[in-house]
Amino acid sequence: AAGVIQSPRHLIKEKRETATLKCYPIPRHDTVYWYQQGPGQDPQFLISFYEKMQSDKGSIPDRFSAQQFSDYHSELNMSSLELGDSALYFCASSLAGGPEQFFGPGTRLTVL
Amino acid sequence: GQQLNQSPQSMFIQEGEDVSMNCTSSSIFNTWLWYKQDPGEGPVLLIALYKAGELTSNGRLTAQFGITRKDSFLNISASIPSDVGIYFCAGQTGQGAQKLVFGQGTRLTINP
Repeated sequence: AAGVIQSPRHLIKEKRETATLKCYPIPRHDTVYWYQQGPGQDPQFLISFYEKMQSDKGSIPDRFSAQQFSDYHSELNMSSLELGDSALYFCASSLAGGPEQFFGPGTRLTVL
Repeated sequence: GQQLNQSPQSMFIQEGEDVSMNCTSSSIFNTWLWYKQDPGEGPVLLIALYKAGELTSNGRLTAQFGITRKDSFLNISASIPSDVGIYFCAGQTGQGAQKLVFGQGTRLTINP
């Protein structure tokens, strides 16, 4: 079965640079969620979109923004990167905002 | 904010043993989910629970949604080497594209 696709899988950036992470949900899923997971930590919710509208918002820095496009894929834009932004970033998708969230393989962001 | 207290934090068991872990919260949740995560990978959904008192099985895994809606447990019977990983409970309080709140995780190690 098709799963959530995230790209890139690995990303290395310098401080103060920008990064764009992409997420392609499971086919027919219209809801996407973004989570950040630091080393040895549990995933922390950033933001979610349902039918291209922002649905819920967590502790997402003002330097980050996200959107969902007409084909339901989503992009997380990160600016003025800091060392502390180094983490695994997961996208998850669900059908019609349902509670069962299916996670992608993640993007490992390293900020040097 | 909402917090899930997951225990134990780690378990070291022999192959073939049964495993039990649980999550508790001071908040009421509408949905409880259990995920397994391998290093560097995304969490994989194991079981979803929707109603207080619900008991659900998935192969050797059994999970229950507590009557008070503030707790859940996961049991794994007859553990095998591929059960190694980190298990997370996650809860959702709202409806429709809402965030998941995760427990701190239980790291399971199996001695062959």
